[in-house]
Amino acid sequence: GQNIDQPTEMTATEGAIVQINCTYQTSGFNGLFWYQQHAGEAPTFLSYNVLDGLEEKGRFSSFLSRSKGYSYLLLKELQMKDSASYLCAVRDSNYQLIWGAGTKLIIKP
Amino acid sequence: IAGITQAPTSQILAAGRRMTLRCTQDMRHNAMYWYRQDLGLGLRLIHYSNTAGTTGKGEVPDGYSVSRANTDDFPLTLASAVPSQTSVYFCASSRGTSAADTQYFGPGTRLTVL
Repeated sequence: GQNIDQPTEMTATEGAIVQINCTYQTSGFNGLFWYQQHAGEAPTFLSYNVLDGLEEKGRFSSFLSRSKGYSYLLLKELQMKDSASYLCAVRDSNYQLIWGAGTKLIIKP
Repeated sequence: IAGITQAPTSQILAAGRRMTLRCTQDMRHNAMYWYRQDLGLGLRLIHYSNTAGTTGKGEVPDGYSVSRANTDDFPLTLASAVPSQTSVYFCASSRGTSAADTQYFGPGTRLTVL
């Protein structure tokens, strides 16, 4: 079967750095997406990785290791507005997105 | 209109009733999707359409139907609602269906079936 694993919840302090991990086992791999979802709102796109390595976009970076079936999202200089759920999704061999359950990130002052 | 709109925002429905959730996008995207999101579970694909005039079944299609008569609209119909269909429903669209095509989401419809 296909499986995406993320921690259910994480807590971090304003101004700090947090790393949200995602491991996957899917039928094929055609890229990995990270989305942000604030409570009661729609998911919004953060990043896309298809090759191994780190992609940096402002305070957010995303890393991929295809051989390990592993990705992480790194958030720097945390702000209160970063409190949200972060969703990991893998595009499989059928080009459909398989979604993890999401990681709820709580930022404390 | 800018992006994707969904209607209604929320709905309480009696079991056995028929309900259509509406989705419209103005980005001229070819592909559209319907997902449901339940607590503790990832987004699950119900139905999708890669282009106007075609539709396909996702992971959880039973009890739902869709149509794609034109590029902009992708309604989702529950023929006879059951309590297990209580969920938040998101419509999404993407320019195409290649690996890098990003999906953009509507604001969602919160549906409660009693």
